[in-house]
Amino acid sequence: DTGVSQDPRHKITKRGQNVTFRCDPISEHNRLYWYRQTLGQGPEFLTYFQNEAQLEKSRLLSDRFSAERPKGSFSTLEIQRTEQGDSAMYLCASSSPGVNQPQHFGDGTRLSIL
Amino acid sequence: AQKVTQAQTEISVVEKEDVTLDCVYETRDTTYYLFWYKQPPSGELVFLIRRNSFDEQNEISGRYSWNFQKSTSSFNFTITASQVVDSAVYFCALSEAFGSEKLVFGKGTKLTVNP
Repeated sequence: DTGVSQDPRHKITKRGQNVTFRCDPISEHNRLYWYRQTLGQGPEFLTYFQNEAQLEKSRLLSDRFSAERPKGSFSTLEIQRTEQGDSAMYLCASSSPGVNQPQHFGDGTRLSIL
Repeated sequence: AQKVTQAQTEISVVEKEDVTLDCVYETRDTTYYLFWYKQPPSGELVFLIRRNSFDEQNEISGRYSWNFQKSTSSFNFTITASQVVDSAVYFCALSEAFGSEKLVFGKGTKLTVNP
């Protein structure tokens, strides 16, 4: 059973550029979550999918952020017109069907904005 | 609103000492779940335990034990006979029982176990 896979591991970009991250959840996990973690803080929830439906978005997710999960498998998180404040670790997690099953996290994508 | 407080920012112990990591939570839900995760220097969050609000039994898993006290809204984590490999940041988290079940994390406690 392979774990949650995220790509790329690191992304360095200039302010104003668009970036896209990919997350491959554990197979058969129907729930997929995106979180953001900054230095010295715990992860903060961004958005959640159940299968292909995006069911909840945090107020942290400005209109520059968009996430998709076509066909209920992998997910992408895109940030448009990146800003300095977007620098963070972006974490993806997935969980199996059932009430409050543990979320399993990937290694994350570290985004650095120059 | 849900909130998790981990008042200990950093703890440093010597190998073989016991150490307790504190977690206090706030929620208006009557049904909720509590979690502990470990984040070693490599960065990946590792699930340790899940506990629902109706189960106040303490749990022991090897050197790890958890004490859930609903009366004080606390879910503390004790490592017995700590080892260098236990060095990591430990996060306590809370989720609602229904809906997205998103996790609300504390700020974490950085544990350093010195040889």
